[in-house]
Amino acid sequence: GEQVEQLPSILRVQEGSSASINCSYEDSASNYFPWYKQEPGENPKLIIDIRSNMERKQIQELIVLLDKKAKRFSLHITDTQPGDSAMYFCAPNNAGAKLTFGGGTRLTVRP
Amino acid sequence: EAAVTQSPRNKVAVTGGKVTLSCNQTNNHNNMYWYRQDTGHGLRLIHYSYGAGSTEKGDIPDGYKASRPSQENFSLILELATPSQTSVYFCASGRTGAVDTQYFGPGTRLLVL
Repeated sequence: GEQVEQLPSILRVQEGSSASINCSYEDSASNYFPWYKQEPGENPKLIIDIRSNMERKQIQELIVLLDKKAKRFSLHITDTQPGDSAMYFCAPNNAGAKLTFGGGTRLTVRP
Repeated sequence: EAAVTQSPRNKVAVTGGKVTLSCNQTNNHNNMYWYRQDTGHGLRLIHYSYGAGSTEKGDIPDGYKASRPSQENFSLILELATPSQTSVYFCASGRTGAVDTQYFGPGTRLLVL
């Protein structure tokens, strides 16, 4: 199956600064690149995604960048707030086939 | 929003006992998935299904069986539960052939004593 590497596993930032998480994958057929946020005791929820025909997508403070040639995509959270503290997962995949999630990044935003 | 429900939400089982975790989705999605998540870690795929009557092995299927009797329902079965299966289990559904997200259920906390 798809091999997915997500880094860093732990990320601590100061409120108001930016946070960046990277995801590398191996399957060149991957064409859908979502990011999920999971708050403590909750289920993972999609926060932003990008498809293979795009290189950049922004929703408010969330930015996703995709480099298909390098087989990696990244999540950038600008102007972080304490409410951004959570686990984040990437899950590159191909048209609804079996997903492989990255190992997760625990983000802590310090006030 | 997509609706995926799981039951029970919490379960305590004894070693060697049989446990059945149930998942229901009302999205008419073909694909359904079972994951486990251990504290502070990512999601690992146990079994998945492409539709009623189909079950496929995921990345960590040993010790688990799955059943998909209908489009809406997907069960995970632990025939002989072991303490190593103590975890949080998430069910998810998604569309076939569509570049799309998965929708997760609320999770089931299983403790095997």
